[in-house]
Amino acid sequence: EVQVLESGGGLVQPGGSLRLSCAASGFTFSNYAMSWVRQAPGKGLEWVSGISDSGGSTHYADSVKGRFTISRDNSKKTLSLQMSSLRVDDTAVYYCAKVVFGVVTPRGYFDNWGQGTLVTVSS
Amino acid sequence: QSVLTQPPSVSGAPGQRVTISCTGRSSNIGAGFDVHWYQQLPGTAPKLLIYGNNNRPSGVPDRFSGSKSGTSASLAITGLQAGDEADYYCQSHDSSLSGWVFGGGTTLTVL
Repeated sequence: EVQVLESGGGLVQPGGSLRLSCAASGFTFSNYAMSWVRQAPGKGLEWVSGISDSGGSTHYADSVKGRFTISRDNSKKTLSLQMSSLRVDDTAVYYCAKVVFGVVTPRGYFDNWGQGTLVTVSS
Repeated sequence: QSVLTQPPSVSGAPGQRVTISCTGRSSNIGAGFDVHWYQQLPGTAPKLLIYGNNNRPSGVPDRFSGSKSGTSASLAITGLQAGDEADYYCQSHDSSLSGWVFGGGTTLTVL
């Protein structure tokens, strides 16, 4: 069974940093692109970042470009999101998702999602 | 404001048919990019419902179907059930933004 499990969320002050992790199991992790998608409280879904299967290609939404860094360790089957210069509007549940058809490709979509981890940015 | 536009809410009685629209533009749906749909039940993570415009993953009932035409796509749900109450999101690729985009979501209420 495909599973992705996020961790690392919590309360952080504006301007602070936080690192999210996602542990994958049940599939050949190194064969698939991965992504982070977030959902602010009571709001819709927003794609945040994606990384290719090898980790050699990364993509970001304009709202987080320059502040967030996505990475992966295929040997440990883990995906990470390093978040810095956090703002109040980064408050959201962050979902890790397995990608079909490659990172930021026209046909790409998310076939498996984790349960999410809540990041709260507040003073 | 989301790049893909969905109605905030739709409703229908049990057994009825409802449709949810997803309107884009020439840089996303109108460019021929695939549309995908997700169902988010209350308090849970999103789940893939339709991929590649009109394909259902294993386990998704054939009461759910998708279509696409021009700059819009639609999700149809027939034989409405109480368990279908959820938020539904469309998703596609946008060439201007060089990324994936979602609709704002539609809340389905079964009366």
